[in-house]
Formats: sequence, C-alpha cells, structure tokens
Amino acid sequence: ETGVTQSPTHLIKTRGQQVTLRCSSQSGHNTVSWYQQALGQGPQFIFQYYREEENGRGNFPPRFSGLQFPNYSSELNVNALELDDSALYLCASSLGRSTNEKLFFGSGTQLSVL
Amino acid sequence: TQLLEQSPQFLSIQEGENLTVYCNSSSVFSSLQWYRQEPGEGPVLLVTVVTGGEVKKLKRLTFQFGDARKDSSLHITAAQPGDTGLYLCAGFIAGNNRKLIWGLGTSLAVNP
Repeated sequence: ETGVTQSPTHLIKTRGQQVTLRCSSQSGHNTVSWYQQALGQGPQFIFQYYREEENGRGNFPPRFSGLQFPNYSSELNVNALELDDSALYLCASSLGRSTNEKLFFGSGTQLSVL
Repeated sequence: TQLLEQSPQFLSIQEGENLTVYCNSSSVFSSLQWYRQEPGEGPVLLVTVVTGGEVKKLKRLTFQFGDARKDSSLHITAAQPGDTGLYLCAGFIAGNNRKLIWGLGTSLAVNP
C-alpha cells in the first residue's frame, strides 16, 4: 500500500466524451504527477502539479488538463476522448518536486474508449 | 524515438536461474530508477542509482549504473516465481529534472 488512491479503478467511455480521473496523494505529499501507460508500454509523463500549480508538462495536447486542490489531491481531465486515449492512467505523489523525492504510485485507472 | 531502451522485452525462465535486464541510452542521466510493476498495480520503486559506476544490492537483486551514466543493468540471482512482473527503468536526463523518462519495460515470468 502506497497511500495513493485513485478513482475510479475502471472506466468505459465513448469517443468524444469527457472524463475526470481523481487522485488522493499520500499524507504530507504536496506534489502529484500523472502518467499514461498504454498496454505493453512504459508510463508517459503527462504533467506534474506542485502546491496547486502546474510544474511541468509532457507531450500531451491541451485537451489533457489537470487541477490540484488545497489538500493536494488532484484531477486529470480529458476532453474529446479518442480511441488512442485508452490506457492505464497512473498518479504518483511525492514529498516535493525534487528529482530525489521518491514517487509513490497509485494502482491506476484503466480507461477504455470505445 | 525511445530514449531509454530496455532489453530483453520478454523473458521466461525457470525458478533458480539467473538473469540480467539492460537499460541503455545515448543520453546521460543524472539518476536512474528501477521499478517493478504487477498487473493492475502502479510501479513500485526498487532502487535509485545516482553515481556513475554505482552498484546497489537489494537481496537477490543487483543494480549497476554505467560509468558514463548512460546505461544500467539489473541482475537477479536464483529467480523465484515471486519475482514475476514488469521491470521498468526510468531516469532524469542531465539538465532536465522535470520529466521522468521511462523505458518500455521487461516482462519477466519465472516458472516454478
């Protein structure tokens, strides 16, 4: 158990819809990173939030957006879903944004876009 | 272009055998991490290596960071069925510490 919880665990959507994924970080952690992991691939960095501000972004289009709340929980929103968005979405929390900080991953949300 | 190449992609061995997984790049990394991921779970950090030439041991697992900090290896001695999983390497490229770069992983199956 990492103390990072994600919801929902599984989700099925159709092309064009919008989705919101949620992440509760481990107690005391102020940094949350989101990753997309397609089947048979390594995780791909989407973005990171540090104290409610975006602190870096990977190569994902603007329809991928996020939020971090004062309690450091976070949301990932994806608009205009495409078939290729089907993947495991992972959230990781850490004590800070330094590269020395250990990442604690949740179990992920498995998103299927039909 | 995959910045971190892992090999082999798949590995199926018998209990008790030894194995080595490789993680290679043409880029220099300030640090490199190894994770293990089981189906339906997120990756779990095994080790972080920071210094070129560094060797770290975790029970039957031995991790090495290349002298030039461009490659790393994970060696498992006397593999057990509980070692089965996806092994991922990930690292921060020197000078860019905001984006963790991941390999595609090595899927290991240890048969009893």
